[in-house]
Amino acid sequence: NAGVTQTPKFQVLKTGQSMTLQCAQDMNHNSMYWYRQDPGMGLRLIYYSASEGTTDKGEVPNGYNVSRLNKREFSLRLESAAPSQTSVYFCASSEREGFSYEQYFGPGTRLTVT
Amino acid sequence: QQQVKQSPQSLIVQKGGISIINCAYENTAFDYFPWYQQFPGKGPALLIAIRPDVSEKKEGRFTISFNKSAKQFSLHIMDSQPGDSATYFCAAIDTGGGNKLTFGTGTQLKVEL
Repeated sequence: NAGVTQTPKFQVLKTGQSMTLQCAQDMNHNSMYWYRQDPGMGLRLIYYSASEGTTDKGEVPNGYNVSRLNKREFSLRLESAAPSQTSVYFCASSEREGFSYEQYFGPGTRLTVT
Repeated sequence: QQQVKQSPQSLIVQKGGISIINCAYENTAFDYFPWYQQFPGKGPALLIAIRPDVSEKKEGRFTISFNKSAKQFSLHIMDSQPGDSATYFCAAIDTGGGNKLTFGTGTQLKVEL
């Protein structure tokens, strides 16, 4: 049981390049999320998917697209990377169980855009 | 729009002391308040959570105090240990609006020997 896995762990891009961050979970959760973490700003929600086949914008969606490939996988795409997208990206998944709304996070992808 | 305000930004506590982190929220629809702990190079992990129908929840050395009328909640770490050194995030959810966490900006805690 690996929980939430993310690839790659590190990535350096030049401005204008594109890339896809991959995320997979093996907990059979319906909901999945993408966050970015920047110093002094906490974690901010980019996109989320409440269930397979649905995606919605979060707080900071500009410059990103997502695909919920199946129940396990949720990818984040940067079509034309910008230095402002230098950040640590976290994927998370969750399933409501009674009064628990725990989200399980992956280990993160550290992205640098030069 | 900062819906959850967290303070302090950083905190240094001596081993055995009490660490206190405070959060305030604006959205009265929030009805679930978790705290996450993050170690360097790792993703955040749930530490403890509270619903607004109780004023306090304790798990081991970790206690959440909740003041609904003031729209404030805080994390107390008793007998702080060097292993508690991490970044702590408060968060809030409007469970009727989907399972979307709104995070505070984080507190970097260092517990010194």
